[in-house]
Amino acid sequence: EAEVAQSPRYKITEKSQAVAFWCDPISGHATLYWYRQILGQGPELLVQFQDESVVDDSQLPKDRFSAERLKGVDSTLKIQPAELGDSAMYLCASSPRTAGGYTFGSGTRLTVV
Amino acid sequence: KQEVTQIPAALSVPEGENLVLNCSFTDSAIYNLQWFRQDPGKGLTSLLLIQSSQREQTSGRLNASLDKSSGRSTLYIAASQPGDSATYLCAAVIYNQGGKLIFGQGTELSVKP
Repeated sequence: EAEVAQSPRYKITEKSQAVAFWCDPISGHATLYWYRQILGQGPELLVQFQDESVVDDSQLPKDRFSAERLKGVDSTLKIQPAELGDSAMYLCASSPRTAGGYTFGSGTRLTVV
Repeated sequence: KQEVTQIPAALSVPEGENLVLNCSFTDSAIYNLQWFRQDPGKGLTSLLLIQSSQREQTSGRLNASLDKSSGRSTLYIAASQPGDSATYLCAAVIYNQGGKLIFGQGTELSVKP
């Protein structure tokens, strides 16, 4: 069964350092999403891509977060500088061009110390 | 703005019991509704996807229903097992919000042997 790949699985970083996460969606899925999930809460959308274009980044803290999907395939989410409040699970998901359900990766657990 | 609410936040049942998890949404203009399972520290696993034209979906011991007019969905788990212990999240896709998933807070289920 096709999967969404994410790396790393776990990341511990010091406050003010830079950190990056990578996601490889299911082949052929045009839409890619990055979600952030704080412990005990439901995931919230950070950014949505359609192919290589950003569709929605209204909830992305653009002063410190950036995301790219240069060739419309894999994607990178970056935080610089990291803050203590960024500690969370970062989830990547993809879906076909026509919405038919979403597949999530295993996530990256970020701890900022 | 679409809001998704899950009740209860936590549920503990003895093994073998049938149970229902509830999900409500404020905007009936949904494209589809998806139920996910999340084990501690892990990503999301899709359980069932209900399109807006459907009223229910079944997979094994799981049955999910959708009532758009009342803004409600339920996930029924038959003959619960300790392995069903996890957090269950529902998420709605809204027509006018670019296809993104709006999540509830989740219900943490514990099935006692």
